[in-house]
Amino acid sequence: GEDVEQSLFLSVREGDSSVINCTYTDSSSTYLYWYKQEPGAGLQLLTYIFSNMDMKQDQRLTVLLNKKDKHLSLRIADTQTGDSAIYFCAESIRGDDMRFGAGTRLTVKP
Amino acid sequence: DTAVSQTPKYLVTQMGNDKSIKCEQNLGHDTMYWYKQDSKKFLKIMFSYNNKELIINETVPNRFSPKSPDKAHLNLHINSLELGDSAVYFCASSQDSGVNEKLFFGSGTQLSVL
Repeated sequence: GEDVEQSLFLSVREGDSSVINCTYTDSSSTYLYWYKQEPGAGLQLLTYIFSNMDMKQDQRLTVLLNKKDKHLSLRIADTQTGDSAIYFCAESIRGDDMRFGAGTRLTVKP
Repeated sequence: DTAVSQTPKYLVTQMGNDKSIKCEQNLGHDTMYWYKQDSKKFLKIMFSYNNKELIINETVPNRFSPKSPDKAHLNLHINSLELGDSAVYFCASSQDSGVNEKLFFGSGTQLSVL
């Protein structure tokens, strides 16, 4: 079946950039999302990108989409300890039929 | 203030029992959802309601019945629980049911069926 994959762990130093990668298999994906989950909290939408875009920037966040390779990445500039969380990549065709990856746990060390 | 809240957070029960999970959103959204997270952490949609009307009903056993008394609430009732129902269930809401609507999720209910 269709799949969304991302690496499970990423560790960076405070102030460095973090890059979280995601690959998906469904070529009919229309929307691609990044969600953040802090301990004990629900999923919080960080940003999303339409499949006809290749880049979207929102303050410290940059999303890059390579539709040909079905590769999505989230770059966090100047990573802070408050950015430590689990980051979920998700894809959707209609917008309400989301398929999530297993999540990448980002640890930011002082 | 919690935007999307679901209760209980944890639910442990015996096979064959009937249980309910409640969800409430205070965002004034028109659309609410129930998702099931499988063992590989994938969230699969189960149901979607827009203004108390069912708009999405994926292939889910009849033992699962959503109830929406008003547009701020979408409860999930499960009859005759089975071992395979053990999972984390997430409630979510969005302003409308359009394709580019942002979803706001609750923190999940971990259901364990013994």
